[in-house]
Parts: sequence; C-alpha cells; structure tokens
Amino acid sequence: NAGVTQTPKFQVLKTGQSMTLQCAQDMNHEYMSWYRQDPGMGLRLIHYSVGAGITDQGEVPNGYNVSRSTTEDFPLRLLSAAPSQTSVYFCASSYTAFDGRNTEAFFGQGTRLTVV
Amino acid sequence: TQLLEQSPQFLSIQEGENLTVYCNSSSVFSSLQWYRQEPGEGPVLLVTVVTGGEVKKLKRLTFQFGDARKDSSLHITAAQPGDTGLYLCAGAGDSGYALNFGKGTSLLVTP
Repeated sequence: NAGVTQTPKFQVLKTGQSMTLQCAQDMNHEYMSWYRQDPGMGLRLIHYSVGAGITDQGEVPNGYNVSRSTTEDFPLRLLSAAPSQTSVYFCASSYTAFDGRNTEAFFGQGTRLTVV
Repeated sequence: TQLLEQSPQFLSIQEGENLTVYCNSSSVFSSLQWYRQEPGEGPVLLVTVVTGGEVKKLKRLTFQFGDARKDSSLHITAAQPGDTGLYLCAGAGDSGYALNFGKGTSLLVTP
C-alpha cells in the first residue's frame, strides 16, 4: 500500500532557485494539504485542496504555489527559495473534511529542504 | 485561526511512570485528534474524539475530550521506551478542510 508518496526525501537549494515538491496519493482522496514543520512550531498549513481544480491558502502561503490538476497529485512549488523556507514539508490527504467527523489524515514521509 | 496550546513542550521520564499531556484552546472544536510522530516519519493518527466529555482508551493510552469541547488530554500509564515520540493534537481549521496543529509534546521514555 503506497498511501501518500512524497519526493524527494531530501533537497538542498541555493537562495533564489525554484523547485517543485511532489506529492501523490493512491487512495482516491479528495482533500489534500501541505504543511511545514519547524522546530518548536508544530505543523503549519501552507495550502490545501478540496478536489481537482480547487485550491486555497492556509496559514503560511507566501512564497509557495500549488495546483491540483488530478485527484492523485498535489505538487508544491517554491518560486524563489529563501533560507526562511528551510523546513520539513509534509503532504497529507483525507477522504472527507474534518469538521465533526471521524476523519483520518494520512501523511507522507516528508521532504527535508535546506536553502543555503 | 483556532489556536491549540499544548503542554508540556518536552517531557523526559523513566519507564513505568505515568504522564499526561494537555491540549487547550479558547475555541470550541467539533472534534480533536491526537497524532504520534516518530523521527523521519509523518504523523500517524492515534484517536479522534468527537463528543464533549468523551473518553477513549487505546491500550495504555487514555484520551479525554473536555465537556465544552475546548480541550483534550492524553494520559499514558506505565510508559515504555516505545512510547517515545512527538505527540500532536489537531483540530479542524477554519474551513474544516485541513487541520490546525498544536506545537507538540516531545516525549522521551528511558529504560
């Protein structure tokens, strides 16, 4: 069972470079989201999607773009990397929304990004 | 954004001890979840609590949802080294389509 797959697992970028973090899920989940995790900060929501063609901003969206052309894939693009974007990035998916429901979020293993 | 405050931030105990982790908010949540994260891995769901006053047990772990649905607690009885990890509480964000997380409690259980 693949679940949520993130690539790459590790990446080093120079300031100003752009790159795309890939996220794919094989569970036919409509809801997908991207989080960043920094020491002592928990997970903070960057962007989320409720289905193909529909995305919205989370708590910390600046410097990141997303698109959702298929149900399976939800890539996260860094337009011009900055040292402040050094973090561990997690992609998650769920079958339904979370409000009042017994819904599980499934997470990928994360991408550890360093911007120098 | 509905904030979730977790305490303590760090906890180091010896095998066999009991502990409680707290998750508090000034906002009402329709449900709260607890996730456990091991180094190099993504969070994994432990439990969802939905009803105010609800208590759920998962082996040595006991989860409680406050009557007012603003807080939750995780109690571990007779902790074991395998319980070591980062414990995160999470609630539905403003849209309900993604989660808001607390900052986490890092637990270390030594033999």
